[in-house]
Formats: sequence, C-alpha cells, structure tokens
Amino acid sequence: DGGITQSPKYLFRKEGQNVTLSCEQNLNHDAMYWYRQDPGQGLRLIYYSQIVNDFQKGDIAEGYSVSREKKESFPLTVTSAQKNPTAFYLCASSIASQRQPQHFGDGTRLSIL
Amino acid sequence: ILNVEQSPQSLHVQEGDSTNFTCSFPSSNFYALHWYRWETAKSPEALFVMTLNGDEKKKGRISATLNTKEGYSYLYIKGSQPEDSATYLCAPGGGNQGGKLIFGQGTELSVKP
Repeated sequence: DGGITQSPKYLFRKEGQNVTLSCEQNLNHDAMYWYRQDPGQGLRLIYYSQIVNDFQKGDIAEGYSVSREKKESFPLTVTSAQKNPTAFYLCASSIASQRQPQHFGDGTRLSIL
Repeated sequence: ILNVEQSPQSLHVQEGDSTNFTCSFPSSNFYALHWYRWETAKSPEALFVMTLNGDEKKKGRISATLNTKEGYSYLYIKGSQPEDSATYLCAPGGGNQGGKLIFGQGTELSVKP
C-alpha cells in the first residue's frame, strides 16, 4: 500500500539529547513537510522540502534540523536547542504544489524524560 | 497569509442535524484552500482542495464553498452521523508562500447518536 510511515510512534528524550524522527513515503511525492501540534493549536510548519537536497524553514524551525538525501525520506532531528520539544509531530507529503492535497503519517509523540 | 481563523472552536450536535463551520483567511495572495478531516487516533485526511472564487465541492454529505474576495470558506455537513465526529482543519496557501499551507486551529465536531 502507498503511504507515509512515521517512526517511532512514541519517543522520549532526555535533557541535552538530540533525537531523530523518521518519515518515509512511497507515494513518489516530491514535497515533504514536518508539522508540530501542541494542545489547542493548529498544525505549525517546522520544515518543508520540495525536492531532494533542498529544504526550507517553516514558521518554527529553531531547534530542529532536517535532511533530504532521498526522495522517500525526510528525517527530523529535534536538537537540544529546542527547549520545549514535547509535542505531537506529523509528517506529510504531496505533489509539489499548494493545489495538491497533503498525505499525512500517523505521527510521533515526543516527550521529555 | 498569516492569520487563519476557524469557528466555532467546537460543536456538539445530535445525529441527523446539519451543521456548518467557517474558515476565514486574508484574501490577498490567495492560491488554494484545503480542508482536512482528522479523526482521533488517525492521520488527517484531505477532503477538498479549492482554488477558484465561487468554487463549490461535494463529497457525500459534506460540501464546501469558497469566497476568495472576502476571504472565507464554509464547510457543510448534512445529516451528521457519529462517524463524522472529528476535527476539521482548513489550510489556505498563498501564492508567495512556496509550498506552505497555514493551518487553522480546527473545529472539533462531536455527533451524539
């Protein structure tokens, strides 16, 4: 089945530790996105990539990093510089146009130990 | 596009009631408007992508309209069913925003049998 796979489903981070969230898609989509959701807020864009080896900061990129070495994969690293990382993280992909729907993974919930 | 407002924030209706929600957005630089349904424990699912002023789209009992000149979209659900219970997100994209969508906070719908 075509879709987006996020792993792990739950992740715990210790203080000062970097953690990486995985996102893989087999939809052959050029564009991929990372969003963060906090209680009572909408989805906020962290980073997005419209093509391999290129990515742009979203609205809340500070404390996060990404890479896009393969079309299928867009991992997100939550660095120790992100002081409030506890949130639900969603990855999405689409054909590279705002006029195409985005397809979402099931999300990763990150908590601080 | 900086500010997206969805109202109401939450809605509780009885099975069989018809309901509607509003998404308001700045009308300048409009390019596309997305609606997503997000059920608990699932990933967001695209309902509609709308681009033209006056557009009306329908999917079963759910329909949506778009007014780009005044900056709003309505989502209607006719004869609500318990399985319609979900959070409904709207996300406009601006022509100067690259691939970015800006998500509203969502309207949480609960349909009681």
